[in-house]
Amino acid sequence: DAKTTQPPSMDCAEGRAANLPCNHSTISGNEYVYWYRQIHSQGPQYIIHGLKNNETNEMASLIITEDRKSSTLILPHATLRDTAVYYCISGGATNKLIFGTGTLLAVQP
Amino acid sequence: KAGVTQTPRYLIKTRGQQVTLSCSPISGHRSVSWYQQTPGQGLQFLFEYFSETQRNKGNFPGRFSGRQFSNSRSEMNVSTLELGDSALYLCASSLAALAGTDTQYFGPGTRLTVL
Repeated sequence: DAKTTQPPSMDCAEGRAANLPCNHSTISGNEYVYWYRQIHSQGPQYIIHGLKNNETNEMASLIITEDRKSSTLILPHATLRDTAVYYCISGGATNKLIFGTGTLLAVQP
Repeated sequence: KAGVTQTPRYLIKTRGQQVTLSCSPISGHRSVSWYQQTPGQGLQFLFEYFSETQRNKGNFPGRFSGRQFSNSRSEMNVSTLELGDSALYLCASSLAALAGTDTQYFGPGTRLTVL
């Protein structure tokens, strides 16, 4: 079973920030939080990952709470091309990624 | 750098046949993982290979097998195909020798249809 919990769907207006939450209350100390997204029928695309500190790259920012039990992926200026299923995954000991059902983000014009 | 490539992209087989799918990882990556994606079960881990050895395995029957070559390219084989094997098969590669510490990059997938 997936070790993370995400809302099944979210809407966001184009140009606004999209904030996608993830609960990973059972995460252990050496496990990372990874975010991927999948546009219909394509392979999942890596977005960002983090362990304890907040992270930012050219695609998104990742905010991890101090107790590491939850995180938020932020797409600062969502576009229509950001419409996808976003997966939050926690893992660390192996390369076995356990995907949940993810959040379907619909960016509206 | 070229990304992960998978061949073929689409495949149609009939029940009882066998199929072999191929994955070429990103240059320099030594770990290759395979996943199955179906509408009902979502994305599920099949197995991972590193340095030609299976390092991790998911909960799939023995009809699903794989191997990795010395150049890190990997193949997966499904024997005695069933209708339920129809799925998108995804391959992912990563650099790390220490599992779980590096990012996995996915290929575009092979869409298998079993009739």
